[in-house]
Amino acid sequence: KNEVEQSPQNLTAQEGEFITINCSYSVGISALHWLQQHPGGGIVSLFMLSSGKKKHGRLIATINIQEKHSSLHITASHPRDSAVYICAVARNTGNQFYFGTGTSLTVIP
Amino acid sequence: KAGVTQTPRYLIKTRGQQVTLSCSPISGHRSVSWYQQTPGQGLQFLFEYFSETQRNKGNFPGRFSGRQFSNSRSEMNVSTLELGDSALYLCASSLWSSDTQYFGPGTRLTVL
Repeated sequence: KNEVEQSPQNLTAQEGEFITINCSYSVGISALHWLQQHPGGGIVSLFMLSSGKKKHGRLIATINIQEKHSSLHITASHPRDSAVYICAVARNTGNQFYFGTGTSLTVIP
Repeated sequence: KAGVTQTPRYLIKTRGQQVTLSCSPISGHRSVSWYQQTPGQGLQFLFEYFSETQRNKGNFPGRFSGRQFSNSRSEMNVSTLELGDSALYLCASSLWSSDTQYFGPGTRLTVL
């Protein structure tokens, strides 16, 4: 069983659509991270959350600690948002990270 | 500030050899973590170093080891390479453990 489950695995959207990516985890965590990986491999950290909600531009991340669930929303999606989005959790019993399998997003113009 | 740098960027080795990868964190960052990424297993945590001490280790065999120097630069070593070790190896630095991670570009290792 994976400690971190992401859905959907693949997502295709039209430019301008509202997008939601979900992440569920089964372990106690100190923080949850959303990462973005573009073709070519570079990874960028988008958000680090331990409670509530964070917003950066068109990106919004929420976390519900009681339900062990987080969502990443992209408003007014754009082709440059096409990337793999990865959910990662840092366990509260140490700094070991567990990763979701990623959501591959393609935004069509 | 300069970002996280990793050297080399690409490496080809043969089975049985050993390899050392290097990571220079962002200036002032004391935590360096290493990750392996493969198409089959995705991203997996290898280990984390903070102030020259290994704080956490993932579920990898003892062939995978690392160290951190007093200037926070870190090296990762893999001995007795196997075909399955072919992967993208990423390091990330942060100010503190569990803090926002800043990733390097990775070293792509191919084992023939």
